[in-house]
This record gives sequence, structure tokens and C-alpha cells, in this order.
Amino acid sequence: NAGVMQNPRHLVRRRGQEARLRCSPMKGHSHVYWYRQLPEEGLKFMVYLQKENIIDESGMPKERFSAEFPKEGPSILRIQQVVRGDSAAYFCASSRDRGSRGYEQYFGPGTRLTVT
Amino acid sequence: GDSVTQMEGPVTLSEEAFLTINCTYTATGYPSLFWYVQYPGEGLQLLLKATKADDKGSNKGFEATYRKETTSFHLEKGSVQVSDSAVYFCALSPTGGGNKLTFGTGTQLKVEL
Repeated sequence: NAGVMQNPRHLVRRRGQEARLRCSPMKGHSHVYWYRQLPEEGLKFMVYLQKENIIDESGMPKERFSAEFPKEGPSILRIQQVVRGDSAAYFCASSRDRGSRGYEQYFGPGTRLTVT
Repeated sequence: GDSVTQMEGPVTLSEEAFLTINCTYTATGYPSLFWYVQYPGEGLQLLLKATKADDKGSNKGFEATYRKETTSFHLEKGSVQVSDSAVYFCALSPTGGGNKLTFGTGTQLKVEL
């Protein structure tokens, strides 16, 4: 049973370009979460999505960042006009549901974005 | 808002030494508590969890007890191995389940022969 898949694993972009990060959740999971890990810091929540819906985007920067999880295909985190401060590891996680207490999120290997 | 505080690393131990990584939290109600481990170049793996006060989570020799009175969830292992070298993250999710994890900053553990 494949785990959470993320691609690319490494992405280099020049300032001003766009970055697209993809996440395929585990089979049977319909909830996707994106987290960002800045150097020497812990993970920070960005956005929580279900199929075709954004449930909680309280951690998303107000500008340049967007996320989607279409009915078909992977979830996409899109960063427009990247700046050096966007350099980080971006992790996707998925879960089966949010109903039960202590539900588990399963993490992908991450995409390491470097902005030059 | 919710927050998690972990002891700073790196923590360097000899093989077979006793490990404690401290974690305290601030949250309303009764959050669920987790320890995740991150090996170099990889994503996070759930190590153990506890969902109510006095619960003890355990896995692979690691243990942590949910202490409501001290708002703590310290990670312990009686005898560490070189293969335990990794970064350990304490995290919580809000009362009643919820949709986002709040993480501590992580503690790097290095185990030497």
C-alpha cells in the first residue's frame, strides 16, 4: 500500500518564478494537509483540504500561495512569484477522516524548495 | 492559541544510555498528543500518541505519558541505539480531534557508539 507521495522531491526556482508542489494522499484518504518547515524550525500548518474544498487555510500566507485538491488527481500547492524566504521543505499529510479522536496524519517525504 | 515547547537540541548520547526529551504544551481542553520522528531526508513518521490524561503511548521502546496536571508529554527510552538518531517532534491536535497539528521545534538526537 503506497504511502503519501510528493513530487518533485527537490525543486529549484529563480526569484519570480512559480512553484507547483504535488501531493497524492494514501489510498482511501480524503483529507490533505500542507505544512511548511523552515530551516531549523518545526513544521507550521498551512492549509487543510478535502476533495474540492478548502476547509482551513488559516496558516496560508495571504498572497502568492494557493492550494487545491480536485475531484481527480493530486493536491497542488502553488506558490507564485517565489522569493528567497519561500525556501523550505513543504510536507503533505493525509488522513482518513477527522472524526475520531487522535486520528493519525501520515506524512509524505516532502518537497524541498530552493529559491535562487 | 495552542503551542508546544520542546527542549532544545542537539542531544548527544552514548549507545544504551537513557533518553528523555521534554515536551510541554499549552492548549484549551484536552488535546491529543503525539511524538513524530524524522530521519534525515525523510518525512515524519508517527512514533506514538495519547488521547487522554494519564494515557501512555509506546512504540519501539519509546514511551510518553500524557500528564494533564503538568501539561507535559515527555518522551523516554531506556536504552538508545545508533539507529535512533533522528529529529523528534512533539505535537498536539485540538480537543475533539481536529484538522491541524501544532508542532514543537524539534529535538535532534545523536547517538554515538
